[in-house]
Amino acid sequence: EVQLVESGGGLVKPGGSLRLACAASGFSFTSYSMNWVRQAPGKRLEWVSSMSGGGAYILYADPVKGRFTISRDNAKKSLYLQMSSLRAEDSAVYFCVRSPVAGSSYFDYWGQGILVTVSS
Amino acid sequence: EIVLTQSPGTLSLSPGERATLSCGASQSISSSYVAWYQQKPGQAPRLLIYGTFNRATDIPDRFSGSGSGTEFTLTINGLEPEDFAVYFCQQYANSPGTFGQGTKLEIE
Repeated sequence: EVQLVESGGGLVKPGGSLRLACAASGFSFTSYSMNWVRQAPGKRLEWVSSMSGGGAYILYADPVKGRFTISRDNAKKSLYLQMSSLRAEDSAVYFCVRSPVAGSSYFDYWGQGILVTVSS
Repeated sequence: EIVLTQSPGTLSLSPGERATLSCGASQSISSSYVAWYQQKPGQAPRLLIYGTFNRATDIPDRFSGSGSGTEFTLTINGLEPEDFAVYFCQQYANSPGTFGQGTKLEIE
């Protein structure tokens, strides 16, 4: 059974940093691209970032480019999102999501999500 | 960026009925790169349909997708109580992939 479990969310002040983690199990981690997708209250789902299975191909959405960094540790079957210079508009539930390819793709398995709140 | 508009915003039906959910795109989506997801309160989205027509793993055949160009449809035949949820469409033909605002399917 595919499982994706996020951790690391919480309350952070504007301008602060936070690191999200996602533990994967139940599938061959290196065979899939991994992504972060977020959902702010009352807003549409928004793709944030993608990384290919080997880590060579990385993409970011424009709103987070230069502030967020995606990474993965294939030995630990884990995905990460380092978020810095956080803004109120980054407040959302962040989902760890699997996809067949990096970048523009459908998403076949989703974690339960982790809440990030940026507020003073 | 392709903007997806879903209609109706809310659909009120009874179990056993057919639901037809629409997703319109601001420009033509090539190669039918459209997916549909179901989301229940407090849960993660679940992939239902990809490539416009293809059911995801373990999705019942009462769910079907259709469409091309700028108009896409998710049809649910014989609604079951567990089908009442919010449904999102997504296009992944153009980067960045984008999502619709959702249709809430509620029990009448």
